[in-house]
Amino acid sequence: GAGVSQTPSNKVTEKGKYVELRCDPISGHTALYWYRQSLGQGPEFLIYFQGTGAADDSGLPNDRFFAVRPEGSVSTLKIQRTERGDSAVYLCASSLFTGQSYEQYFGPGTRLTVT
Amino acid sequence: GDSVTQMEGPVTLSEEAFLTINCTYTATGYPSLFWYVQYPGEGLQLLLKATKADDKGSNKGFEATYRKETTSFHLEKGSVQVSDSAVYFCALSDRAGGTSYGKLTFGQGTILTVHP
Repeated sequence: GAGVSQTPSNKVTEKGKYVELRCDPISGHTALYWYRQSLGQGPEFLIYFQGTGAADDSGLPNDRFFAVRPEGSVSTLKIQRTERGDSAVYLCASSLFTGQSYEQYFGPGTRLTVT
Repeated sequence: GDSVTQMEGPVTLSEEAFLTINCTYTATGYPSLFWYVQYPGEGLQLLLKATKADDKGSNKGFEATYRKETTSFHLEKGSVQVSDSAVYFCALSDRAGGTSYGKLTFGQGTILTVHP
């Protein structure tokens, strides 16, 4: 009965470095989402996967951000040339279609700090 | 585009007080509506949901009714407890089906603190 897991829980990196954030969704959930939550704000959508493909990446802020899900399970969010403005909590969610709505289950998040 | 507006916080109440957190939305079509809660040190959890007009979602003593005519989904609880202290987020998603995939649009969150 494991929930969505995310690693690392905290990541501190220097400006300009490359980082990878990992998400392990609930087993059997084919839909996976990434959101970004800045301090004092609600989460903002980044990207959605159905299976292995990114069905909607319209929320990615620029081409420094990229995400993959090669086997339709674990996903990795990749950020190149990090900037201080990338500092936020990155949330992953997976979902199950209930017949009426999608219920998303969130992981604990990765807190990224760019110094 | 879709948007959600929540009442400004923080909200501070005494135990057993009545709680209302206002939420209004703008969306095309007929979205599904949700309240999520984030307890200190924990991840976002679904609190309740409603998928069509006049539906009432309820859980743990909290309730919210989907009001299409006022585009609102206000959260209420009759008697709050210290353990209800958390951040509450109102959210919407496209109605399921067709090309919809449940992408959530969140409000900015409302911090609730309940004192003994």
